Amino acid sequence: QQQVKQSPQSLIVQKGGISIINCAYENTAFDYFPWYQQFPGKGPALLIAIRPDVSEKKEGRFTISFNKSAKQFSLHIMDSQPGDSATYFCAANRKNEKLTFGTGTRLTIIP
Amino acid sequence: SAVISQKPSRDICQRGTSLTIQCQVDSQVTMMFWYRQQPGQSLTLIATANQGSEATYESGFVIDKFPISRPNLTFSTLTVSNMSPEDSSIYLCSVEKSSYEQYFGPGTRLTVT
Repeated sequence: QQQVKQSPQSLIVQKGGISIINCAYENTAFDYFPWYQQFPGKGPALLIAIRPDVSEKKEGRFTISFNKSAKQFSLHIMDSQPGDSATYFCAANRKNEKLTFGTGTRLTIIP
Repeated sequence: SAVISQKPSRDICQRGTSLTIQCQVDSQVTMMFWYRQQPGQSLTLIATANQGSEATYESGFVIDKFPISRPNLTFSTLTVSNMSPEDSSIYLCSVEKSSYEQYFGPGTRLTVT
């Protein structure tokens, strides 16, 4: 019930392309879905987050798509750049409760 | 957001010793957390550091091994006790703002020899 499944484990995208990372959750009580970006040797940084009352949220080149009925959400990175190369983690939680993290996706953007 | 610092940033310790990691945040927060992250892996919650009361530990983590202090609303420490090579990992503190958003510190990279 607490699991968040993330795919793919690794992803290689050409510069300028669209990077897509998917997550699925089981606990329908989750009501907050953040994405974190982590560079080597750094702590995870909160990138973008969505609540289940909307189906999409966009911040610059980063978009979260949320499908409540399918219990899935995804991160889209438009016009991917080499500086986007990092590990991305999806997560989910309820108010004042711990985050449940996905397993992570290592994204590499090639020139 | 929140500005979080951790000390030390990295350390190499001998088996059987203990290391205390400090976490300082730039504003008062109710919820502080301690995570462990093995290289290339996801984050595992160790415990929630509660101000004024004992920490709440996740399954598989015990107070004798990972004692935590939370003396005020901006500071917490995690001690890794009687270390073994299996404790080599990155230890991260995080804080919760506005009931949902969690922000992470830069991490402490621990190597036990």
